[in-house]
Amino acid sequence: GAGVSQSPSNKVTEKGKDVELRCDPISGHTALYWYRQSLGQGLEFLIYFQGNSAPDKSGLPSDRFSAERTGGSVSTLTIQRTQQEDSAVYLCASSFRGMVTEAFFGQGTRLTVV
Amino acid sequence: RKEVEQDPGPFNVPEGATVAFNCTYSNSASQSFFWYRQDCRKEPKLLMSVYSSGNEDGRFTAQLNRASQYISLLIRDSKLSDSATYLCVAFLTGANNLFFGTGTRLTVIP
Repeated sequence: GAGVSQSPSNKVTEKGKDVELRCDPISGHTALYWYRQSLGQGLEFLIYFQGNSAPDKSGLPSDRFSAERTGGSVSTLTIQRTQQEDSAVYLCASSFRGMVTEAFFGQGTRLTVV
Repeated sequence: RKEVEQDPGPFNVPEGATVAFNCTYSNSASQSFFWYRQDCRKEPKLLMSVYSSGNEDGRFTAQLNRASQYISLLIRDSKLSDSATYLCVAFLTGANNLFFGTGTRLTVIP
């Protein structure tokens, strides 16, 4: 079956513009995570959705960042008024019953803010 | 203080060598542990889970020491294809969150 799908794979945007990044998790996976990875760095947690529970937004770096998950499936990460420091690879992962089981990652969206 | 810490390396080892990575975690309530592998410009993928009794998968051995709050990964008979970044991961039940280390970069040299 299909894995985690992210779109777009690459996005170049001008500073100050808003961007939307999309994640389609594996069907049936109740948990969905967003991470950010800057060049040569580790994964930085952004936000976590689990079923119908309120999301854990503790990793969002500023109020310019927000995320939604509609119908318990597709998720959109929105970055408003992008800054150059937002440039990174944004990775989405999903798993069944939370992260105690294997998490599957999408190939990421490479965001470049110029 | 980071939840999970690991030596970033890089580790450069010759083919056939044995190499070990250690990782420490700060929260004793962490429940589950994993090693993920990330190839250059690719997404992370699960390498193996880490069980309390230790576990082995071919050339790879993972161990957990709860008293000292560290986990380890041992790779025997290194292959060129083992070159990657190895990410240590801890799942914290209370936070229902997965914490990644920054990764240890391994390069196996011919």
